[in-house]
Amino acid sequence: GQQVMQIPQYQHVQEGEDFTTYCNSSTTLSNIQWYKQRPGGHPVFLIQLVKSGEVKKQKRLTFQFGEAKKNSSLHITATQTTDVGTYFCAPRGTSGTYKYIFGTGTRLKVLA
Amino acid sequence: KAGVTQTPRYLIKTRGQQVTLSCSPISGHRSVSWYQQTPGQGLQFLFEYFSETQRNKGNFPGRFSGRQFSNSRSEMNVSTLELGDSALYLCASSPDSGGGNSPLHFGNGTRLTVT
Repeated sequence: GQQVMQIPQYQHVQEGEDFTTYCNSSTTLSNIQWYKQRPGGHPVFLIQLVKSGEVKKQKRLTFQFGEAKKNSSLHITATQTTDVGTYFCAPRGTSGTYKYIFGTGTRLKVLA
Repeated sequence: KAGVTQTPRYLIKTRGQQVTLSCSPISGHRSVSWYQQTPGQGLQFLFEYFSETQRNKGNFPGRFSGRQFSNSRSEMNVSTLELGDSALYLCASSPDSGGGNSPLHFGNGTRLTVT
């Protein structure tokens, strides 16, 4: 089925290092949501971005929506072991195409 | 508020059998969507139900079906199971129909193993 690419697919970082995952769409999005899934768990909603160029912060997490509303990024500053998991973007398109799609996910491992 | 409840948590079935999974959404949520999660394919959308009507369907064969009851509880059925159906099946509820601005609230999932 249709997929939205996230890069990288996997990332191993030392605790304290920064981490960034990117979500890219070929079409303009109405909004984008981000979810985190811990190992053995289920996806949990983190945040939603709606406006072009929007930047939102949650403690060490910074979310950004591209100016053209076709891409987004999630940046974690000074990773901790609690950040381990898979991060998914969930683009919401202006048409029905991307209504239910999730990104391919980035699996983050943090080495203590 | 109670979260999304999925039952059972684990299932082991044999090829050719059928299986029914259940999902109880958060109270007041009228949308229930189902996803299949496998290591190789990620999160794949199966279908969404809203007010007892199927609103959208993903790219899965007709062996995968679902329904929603008047209390918004939903069931998913897979007939003639194949080995490739082994996966984590997640349901998610939201107040409005999928694709809107409301976040999805996921259940813990049902881990289906087909042998």
